[in-house]
Amino acid sequence: GEDVEQSLFLSVREGDSSVINCTYTDSSSTYLYWYKQEPGAGLQLLTYIFSNMDMKQDQRLTVLLNKKDKHLSLRIADTQTGDSAIYFCADTNRDDKIIFGKGTRLHILP
Amino acid sequence: NAGVTQTPKFRVLKTGQSMTLLCAQDMNHEYMYWYRQDPGMGLRLIHYSVGEGTTAKGEVPDGYNVSRLKKQNFLLGLESAAPSQTSVYFCASSWSSGEQYFGPGTRLTVT
Repeated sequence: GEDVEQSLFLSVREGDSSVINCTYTDSSSTYLYWYKQEPGAGLQLLTYIFSNMDMKQDQRLTVLLNKKDKHLSLRIADTQTGDSAIYFCADTNRDDKIIFGKGTRLHILP
Repeated sequence: NAGVTQTPKFRVLKTGQSMTLLCAQDMNHEYMYWYRQDPGMGLRLIHYSVGEGTTAKGEVPDGYNVSRLKKQNFLLGLESAAPSQTSVYFCASSWSSGEQYFGPGTRLTVT
């Protein structure tokens, strides 16, 4: 079946760049998403990329998509303490259902 | 515009008790979803609905029932709660199969 994999933890020093990686198995994906979950809250859409794009930039966020390798990444430039959260990668499969990864917990070191 | 709301925010149940979680959205979304989130397991889809009067099973439907009698509401029921159902429950809604909007969650403990 379809799967979305991402590492569970990432620690980054404040001011450095964070790169969160994700791999997916469904080649029919139309959109791929990054959601952010802050402590005690629900998920919020952070950004998304259409499957015919390689890159999308939005202020401090850069999304890179490698369709050949089925690899998606989220880069956060100049990481701040407010970026501390769980980041979920999500893929839409051939049945148009969103499949979420298990989430990467980003920890910011002072 | 409140978005997606969930009630209650917290609940403690004894094994065997029943309860209903309510999700409401004011965005006129067709699709609604119930997920549970457990440490190390990510989000798992319990049930979902693609429109008023419809429901479908997700990845982990056993022990739960749902109803979508009105477009804006999606109810999740636990008929006989078990400790394995201790979790944080999230409701979400969307226009179609795209971007989902999440509620703040309900933290349920079953003792």
